[in-house]
Amino acid sequence: DTAVSQTPKYLVTQMGNDKSIKCEQNLGHDTMYWYKQDSKKFLKIMFSYNNKELIINETVPNRFSPKSPDKAHLNLHINSLELGDSAVYFCASSQDQLAGARGTQYFGPGTRLLVL
Amino acid sequence: AQSVTQPDIHITVSEGASLELRCNYSYGATPYLFWYVQSPGQGLQLLLKYFSGDTLVQGIKGFEAEFKRSQSSFNLRKPSVHWSDAAEYFCAVDSGTYKYIFGTGTRLKVLA
Repeated sequence: DTAVSQTPKYLVTQMGNDKSIKCEQNLGHDTMYWYKQDSKKFLKIMFSYNNKELIINETVPNRFSPKSPDKAHLNLHINSLELGDSAVYFCASSQDQLAGARGTQYFGPGTRLLVL
Repeated sequence: AQSVTQPDIHITVSEGASLELRCNYSYGATPYLFWYVQSPGQGLQLLLKYFSGDTLVQGIKGFEAEFKRSQSSFNLRKPSVHWSDAAEYFCAVDSGTYKYIFGTGTRLKVLA
């Protein structure tokens, strides 16, 4: 069983289009994340959700809208795609971060987005 | 500010040789540190983590890492590298605010 899954694995689209990436985790975790990996392999947090509530929005353009219908899912919708959005997007999840306790983040396989 | 530095962008070693990948962090409190590996076209796999206790931690695939607070380092080591270890390696620190801060990665090339 895949712990953190993402669909699609590859996404090729034209500038200006709207697309969505889905993420599901079956680990029973409370916190989910979206990271962006650019062409230089640099990984940066985009969003963090805890129990379906947005915790972190790391200065991401509002063309990106995450949605968490339940604790096991965190989807990413992107409007008006731009060339610079081409990247690999990783979903991750972890146990709830209680005071003094840290959860290990488990990553999905990534979605490779190419905007033409 | 919290940060993670991986000084080596590329490292090339011969198969069977030992390996050390460097990681330095900047963090105000006790850091929670991680090493992940990313094979070409793949996702991120956790190799090992340090939360507390013994400063030498063992991970999967024969990797280990040593936490040195005095040097703000968490270097990854392997005594004998296999060709299948060729990948991108990322060091990360848990910022304590629902996000990891990653280093820029080290690409490992293994010569046959």
